Amino acid sequence: GIQVEQSPPDLILQEGANSTLRCNFSDSVNNLQWFHQNPWGQLINLFYIPSGTKQNGRLSATTVATERYSLLYISSSQTTDSGVYFCAVWAGNQFYFGTGTSLTVIP
Amino acid sequence: ETGVTQSPTHLIKTRGQQVTLRCSSQSGHNTVSWYQQALGQGPQFIFQYYREEENGRGNFPPRFSGLQFPNYSSELNVNALELDDSALYLCASSYQGAGGELFFGEGSRLTVL
Repeated sequence: GIQVEQSPPDLILQEGANSTLRCNFSDSVNNLQWFHQNPWGQLINLFYIPSGTKQNGRLSATTVATERYSLLYISSSQTTDSGVYFCAVWAGNQFYFGTGTSLTVIP
Repeated sequence: ETGVTQSPTHLIKTRGQQVTLRCSSQSGHNTVSWYQQALGQGPQFIFQYYREEENGRGNFPPRFSGLQFPNYSSELNVNALELDDSALYLCASSYQGAGGELFFGEGSRLTVL
């Protein structure tokens, strides 16, 4: 199956800082989603972004499918942004999830 | 609009037992997929149901089985539980059968003793 790698694996930020999370995938994909997993385990949709750029408030995402990567930008981070961020790509007949980036925002 | 709901939220079983987890899809969605998430790892695809038929399966043994009902709700059944089955089980619904945007429930946390 397709390999999905995320970097960095862990990230600690001061509140107000900006960050970029990366998702690399090993083969062509048809769709890509970014999620935030809250402390209770629920995966919250951030972006459904097979290509191009989208923005939602302080968050934005860019997928360059031809180069097999996607980026998630978090600006002016807040403590509520803490948690694990996953990207997931659709290839074949299933979604493959990345390894995740664990983000901690310190007040 | 009703979101994805799962039950039970937590449960404890012993090795060798059987478990059934339930999922109600978001209104308007006809596809349900199930994922297993072990501690510290990303979710792993178990299988997907589209209009009551399984149309995709990950690398899980046959003791993991499922159903989708006419109202598009779904069940995940696991027989002969093993200690390694302890995990968070996540259900997601989507509108189309292949690659549609996923919406997740809160998950069912299973502990096997």
